[in-house]
Order: sequence, then C-alpha cells, then structure tokens
Amino acid sequence: AQSVAQPEDQVNVAEGNPLTVKCTYSVSGNPYLFWYVQYPNRGLQFLLKYITGDNLVKGSYGFEAEFNKSQTSFHLKKPSALVSDSALYFCAVREPGAGSYQLTFGKGTKLSVIP
Amino acid sequence: NAGVTQTPKFRVLKTGQSMTLLCAQDMNHEYMYWYRQDPGMGLRLIHYSVGEGTTAKGEVPDGYNVSRLKKQNFLLGLESAAPSQTSVYFCASSYDHFANTEAFFGQGTRLTVV
Repeated sequence: AQSVAQPEDQVNVAEGNPLTVKCTYSVSGNPYLFWYVQYPNRGLQFLLKYITGDNLVKGSYGFEAEFNKSQTSFHLKKPSALVSDSALYFCAVREPGAGSYQLTFGKGTKLSVIP
Repeated sequence: NAGVTQTPKFRVLKTGQSMTLLCAQDMNHEYMYWYRQDPGMGLRLIHYSVGEGTTAKGEVPDGYNVSRLKKQNFLLGLESAAPSQTSVYFCASSYDHFANTEAFFGQGTRLTVV
C-alpha cells in the first residue's frame, strides 16, 4: 500500500532564510508526488507535482521540490521564506496506472515563518 | 468559474441526527472524492467516485454513504451522526484517471456532532 511520511509536525524559519519541508514516500513502482498548501480555514491548494523527468520541480509562489528516488524523498524547498508562506503543507502520493484512484496524504507540516 | 463548491460551510448536529453534505464542481471532472481532516491525522479518504453513477469505499467509509447521480455533484450522507464524526470535510475533484493531474479542493465543511 502507498504511504507518505512527513517527519516534522512543525517547522519554524526566519523570514528571508531558506526553508525545507520534508516528505518521504512508499509505493510499488514509480510514484506521482504532489505538494499542497492549506491556509487557515481554507481548502487545499495545489503547489507542484512530480510525474516524470527532471528531479527538480518548480511550482507556485517560488516553491520547488526535489525528487530523490534512492532516498524515496520529495522535500519541498524555497530559497527565501516569506511570512505569508506560513501555512499547513501536505505531501501526497499516487501510484501510476489506470486503476489508481487514491491520493494518499501525509499528516501535514505546519510552517511558521517568523518576521 | 467556481471550481469546487461545498455546502454547508458549518453545521452542528446532535448525536443520531442525519444530514447530507453537497459537493458541486463545474470543471467537468470525472473523479470526485470526500476526505475528512482531523488534527494530526492529515486527510483520510472516505469515499470516491470515478464517474456518474459510481461510488467506491476509501480508507474510512464506515458511518457514511455517498451518491453521484449527476456528474457535477457528489453527496456525502451521515445517517446517524456520532461525536467521532466531528471533523472538517473536504470534497475534491480531478480530471485525469491516469493519476498524474492535481485534485481541486472545496473550502471545507466544519461539522460538530454533540
């Protein structure tokens, strides 16, 4: 069964510093990986995805993520954090194939950017 | 273009009462999903649908029923609400069944069962 782990419940970073939110996954076969962000009292918004190709994926709001197959990781990164980046971040995985319908989410990581 | 719309946004139920949550999408998506979000648990899939007239169980289906009579609507029903069903419920939809497109989420329904 597919699964996702986000090892940190909370990440604190100073404004202007680089940020990393960690994600590891487990699937049989090559994964499709996603990052979503949730602002308070809002639904989830798509940030970026890895399907195939370049291991470094660029997404919305200056975020990027690096796919590492050997470490089964898909960490979310941003070179310079903004206070407005403070939110709850979810990593998600799907197995490829026509029969795969389920998107499995991690438990989420709360990012706090300190002014 | 409204995307995914959930109604209601808030609801308080007494134990044993029933209710239906409505999800509507205007993107002509085939796939629709109901998730619940609980603190420290992330999002867990309740039920999903791969097209009009079809439904299937997800990770935590007990106590819930769903229907997809029209392509654009996906209803989640609680026949006899329990305090354990206090949660935030999210509906989502997606287009591509080959699992490589993102899902679009509604704003959520905050349900409290007392």
